[in-house]
Amino acid sequence: AQTVTQSQPEMSVQEAETVTLSCTYDTSESDYYLFWYKQPPSRQMILVIRQEAYKQQNATENRFSVNFQKAAKSFSLKISDSQLGDAAMYFCAYRPSLEASGSRLTFGEGTQLTVNP
Amino acid sequence: NAGVTQTPKFRILKIGQSMTLQCAQDMNHNYMYWYRQDPGMGLKLIYYSVGAGITDKGEVPNGYNVSRSTTEDFPLRLELAAPSQTSVYFCASSYTGGSSPLHFGNGTRLTVT
Repeated sequence: AQTVTQSQPEMSVQEAETVTLSCTYDTSESDYYLFWYKQPPSRQMILVIRQEAYKQQNATENRFSVNFQKAAKSFSLKISDSQLGDAAMYFCAYRPSLEASGSRLTFGEGTQLTVNP
Repeated sequence: NAGVTQTPKFRILKIGQSMTLQCAQDMNHNYMYWYRQDPGMGLKLIYYSVGAGITDKGEVPNGYNVSRSTTEDFPLRLELAAPSQTSVYFCASSYTGGSSPLHFGNGTRLTVT
């Protein structure tokens, strides 16, 4: 079974600075998808960014970018120019490309990000 | 376009009671999921469905049941509620597997006392 590990339960960053959240995963598959979701206090789950494992280029969405290291099975999220609204719990998630087992999403335990003014 | 709608938003149950958490999506998504999130933790998969009439167990199915009679609806049934089922429950859907992102409902906070 796939596992996703987020080794930083909590992180903090100063407003306007850059922070990197870590994520590692374990899989025997060669093709899969990785996601970062944000959960603010409203508890809504919001998709931040996604990465296809077959793509070497790292995904970028405005101030959010990833560092995808397939061989190391690492998928970190970098938030640039941090804003107060970025404060939230961030979850890394893995999804197999195959349709078997419902293509279920496996989540890490989360990293609580605090943004200090 | 309502997306994924969960009802109720909050519920308090006594030990041994039963209830159904409702989930409906209007995006014609084939895949639907139920997750639970315990305080300060990640989401764990309870049950999932890849289409009407097809359901299967996830990581933590004990104490729950589901049905999928239509594409739109995926209710989660709790039988004989226990304090260990106190959690926030999320329903999610996606059009297909793989790169298709999951769309989440706003969650149901359930307390069993």
